[in-house]
Amino acid sequence: GAVVSQHPSRVICKSGTSVKIECRSLDFQATTMFWYRQFPKQSLMLMATSNEGSKATYEQGVEKDKFLINHASLTLSTLTVTSAHPEDSSFYICSARGQFDGYTFGSGTRLTVV
Amino acid sequence: AQSVTQLDSHVSVSEGTPVLLRCNYSSSYSPSLFWYVQHPNKGLQLLLKYTSAATLVKGINGFEAEFKKSETSFHLTKPSAHMSDAAEYFCVVSEPSGNTPLVFGKGTRLSVIA
Repeated sequence: GAVVSQHPSRVICKSGTSVKIECRSLDFQATTMFWYRQFPKQSLMLMATSNEGSKATYEQGVEKDKFLINHASLTLSTLTVTSAHPEDSSFYICSARGQFDGYTFGSGTRLTVV
Repeated sequence: AQSVTQLDSHVSVSEGTPVLLRCNYSSSYSPSLFWYVQHPNKGLQLLLKYTSAATLVKGINGFEAEFKKSETSFHLTKPSAHMSDAAEYFCVVSEPSGNTPLVFGKGTRLSVIA
């Protein structure tokens, strides 16, 4: 079945640094990638939608200059958290949609900013 | 706009007793509906999905859900709870086609008491 590999699974970084999260579709072409954020004991909230080769569309309240999304190929999308701060600590997870009928989630990235 | 309402934030059952997790949806379209499970500090696992075929959907691990259009409901059930079922459960809705994101409910935490 369709698999999305998300890395890293956990990352701890210092405040003010940047962190890049990668999602790769291993056996299909991900034409669309959705990025979600989940704070502790809360649900998943959509951050942005990216289509391959296009600029990402961000949800209201999500800073596009802080959360940089790149979807330059059909098998790779990245989310970069720039100048991370403790309030950015969260669980980030991607969801890919391709030519098949379904959504495939990555395994998620636990980001802790200290 | 689509949305889902999970009627209970927390459900507690005894091992071996039935499980009922309630979900109501709102959609302008004939929706696709999903149930996902998330164990602590883990990613998401798809339990089952409804995509306008049979209204009674059977999923993994003995779970099933029934789509009731007249009640706009998609409740999740299991005849007999197991300790390993303790987790967070999300009811999710999407449009039936196109590259639209999944919209998550707030989640229901299921506790199973020995």
